[in-house]
Amino acid sequence: DTEVTQTPKHLVMGMTNKKSLKCEQHMGHRAMYWYKQKAKKPPELMFVYSYEKLSINESVPSRFSPECPNSSLLNLHLHALQPEDSALYLCASSQDFTSGRKLPDTQYFGPGTRLTVL
Amino acid sequence: EDKVVQSPLSLVVHEGDTVTLNCSYEVTNFRSLLWYKQEKKAPTFLFMLTSSGIEKKSGRLSSILDKKELFSILNITATQTGDSAVYLCAFNAGNNRKLIWGLGTSLAVNP
Repeated sequence: DTEVTQTPKHLVMGMTNKKSLKCEQHMGHRAMYWYKQKAKKPPELMFVYSYEKLSINESVPSRFSPECPNSSLLNLHLHALQPEDSALYLCASSQDFTSGRKLPDTQYFGPGTRLTVL
Repeated sequence: EDKVVQSPLSLVVHEGDTVTLNCSYEVTNFRSLLWYKQEKKAPTFLFMLTSSGIEKKSGRLSSILDKKELFSILNITATQTGDSAVYLCAFNAGNNRKLIWGLGTSLAVNP
C-alpha cells in the first residue's frame, strides 16, 4: 500500500477564514512533507517532519502552520491567507532514516488539496 | 547551485510512437534521481535511479542513469493516450529529504 490520503480535495476560503488541510499515511513512513504547487511549475517544498519533529521549514510565512500529531497524520493550518496562496497543496511521505544512514528515499504523494483564496 | 534541466519542455506525438525524455543535472551531493508522472493531481512515482548503466523497467516505461555524463532518460514505447501527462525529474540532495525538481516535460499523445 503506497497510498497517501488528503482532505479536503477542494477548499475555497476567504482571507479572514481559518481552515486546515489534513494528510494521512499508513505505510509506516516517518517523514512527511508539505508542498505547494502552482500551475505549470514543479512542487515547491514547504515543510518536512521527521519522526514527528519539524526538520525543515523553507521560510514559509507564518500564516501557514504545520502540525504532526502522530506518525501517520500531518496537518496544515491556514489563517489569513492571500489570493496568491491559491495553489495545489500536496502532502508526501517517505520512509526516512535516522541520521548517519545514507540510503536514498522515495517520496509518495497524496492527491492534493486544490485551494482557492478569495 | 544544484539544478535539474529537462528537455524537451513539451512534446506532442501520436499513439504508438516511442518517446525519449531527458533530464540533466548538476549536483554537489548526488544520492538518487527520481522520475514522476503527474496528470491532473499528485505526482505518481515511476522510478528511482542510483547507479549508472542499470536500466529500470516497468511495462512500456524504462529509465537509465549516466552518472558520468550527468543525465537520465525516460523512454516510453508504444505510447497511449493515457501516457499524456507531465513527467517530472527530481534528484535527492545530500540531506536525503529535499528534492530538487526540473520543470517537467509535458507529453501529449494524440489518438
